[in-house]
Amino acid sequence: QKEVEQDPGPLSVPEGAIVSLNCTYSNSAFQYFMWYRQYSRKGPELLMYTYSSGNKEDGRFTAQVDKSSKYISLFIRDSQPSDSATYLCAMSDAGNNRKLIWGLGTSLAVNP
Amino acid sequence: DGGITQSPKYLFRKEGQNVTLSCEQNLNHDAMYWYRQDPGQGLRLIYYSQIVNDFQKGDIAEGYSVSREKKESFPLTVTSAQKNPTAFYLCASLSLDRREKLFFGSGTQLSVL
Repeated sequence: QKEVEQDPGPLSVPEGAIVSLNCTYSNSAFQYFMWYRQYSRKGPELLMYTYSSGNKEDGRFTAQVDKSSKYISLFIRDSQPSDSATYLCAMSDAGNNRKLIWGLGTSLAVNP
Repeated sequence: DGGITQSPKYLFRKEGQNVTLSCEQNLNHDAMYWYRQDPGQGLRLIYYSQIVNDFQKGDIAEGYSVSREKKESFPLTVTSAQKNPTAFYLCASLSLDRREKLFFGSGTQLSVL
């Protein structure tokens, strides 16, 4: 079993839809949870960062962490064609090294 | 503007040849990383360095080598020992004060002739 599981999709939605992206993990020591967005043939960029449990909102994006279920989510409201990209979850524990463990990424297409 | 510059954008390797991928950052970050990205396999860590003149192997270091002679530079050499080098290579850097935010370069696509 991989430490982080993420459905690669692809996911296709109409413009304006609410998108839900998810990752599950097995290591209860993970404390830091991140979502990166990667456009085709570009480097990933940090979208959302959450420490421990709870929700975080930034504009149309909401990140949720449920440590009891070992489950994290990224919601995109009013999705736009410019949101079409691959979304990668990443997480790490609280050690000094804080090596990131990555999901495979979910490919999202928002259709106009 | 501060950022990470990777070059070249595309690189072709002949059999038996070593090639070097360049990565330069002007963010004054202490830590630098090399990842390999293959379709369906996500990001895999090759090497990382948290300080000049020191680096550690990641999960798939075999067939690769790195150096960290300057804080801003972290070149990756793909040696002839790497039998399946075709992939998208990403360099990243990190401030040790803000460990959650990796900054990535635009990547180098390496292909075998």
